[in-house]
Amino acid sequence: AQSVAQPEDQVNVAEGNPLTVKCTYSVSGNPYLFWYVQYPNRGLQFLLKYITGDNLVKGSYGFEAEFNKSQTSFHLKKPSALVSDSALYFCAVYSGTYKYIFGTGTRLKVLA
Amino acid sequence: EAGVVQSPRYKIIEKKQPVAFWCNPISGHNTLYWYRQNLGQGPELLIRYENEEAVDDSQLPKDRFSAERLKGVDSTLKIQPAELGDSAVYLCASSGLQETQYFGPGTRLLVL
Repeated sequence: AQSVAQPEDQVNVAEGNPLTVKCTYSVSGNPYLFWYVQYPNRGLQFLLKYITGDNLVKGSYGFEAEFNKSQTSFHLKKPSALVSDSALYFCAVYSGTYKYIFGTGTRLKVLA
Repeated sequence: EAGVVQSPRYKIIEKKQPVAFWCNPISGHNTLYWYRQNLGQGPELLIRYENEEAVDDSQLPKDRFSAERLKGVDSTLKIQPAELGDSAVYLCASSGLQETQYFGPGTRLLVL
């Protein structure tokens, strides 16, 4: 069965420190990979995506993600966290034939 | 460019009552999705439309939920009758090419 895993329910990081939010997937073929962010009482917003090409993808608000095919991972990263980055982050995979799967989400808390 | 529009933003109803949600996608987006999101969890796909055709409604509880997108633009999701367990946020999203989804603000439903 196809799946997306976000192994950490919550990630705490101090402001100014680098952050990583993990995502692994189990999907056949060459999937499209996405990260979305949800701020409190707001809808989901697109952050970045990988379809093909360079394994390091840059997105909005200084975030980037690294696609690792051998490890089937797509971890979200940011070199220096801000308190305003505190939100719920979702990894998602599109595997073709209309199948779009979201992870369960990771709550990021950036501490001042 | 206007984003995805949803209405109403909030709805409180008593169980066994009907309720309807409306979504207007981004202009030119052929793909429209309805999701249900429970607190602190990832979105669960209810139905996906390509133009006016429902291409994936496998997760839609068809005994009480229905949806339509008659002209391939705006869409309505209906629940009749509502149950306590239907309390959630109902999200609408649309996408063009490459599957990047743009979400509306959602409708928060409370069933009493």
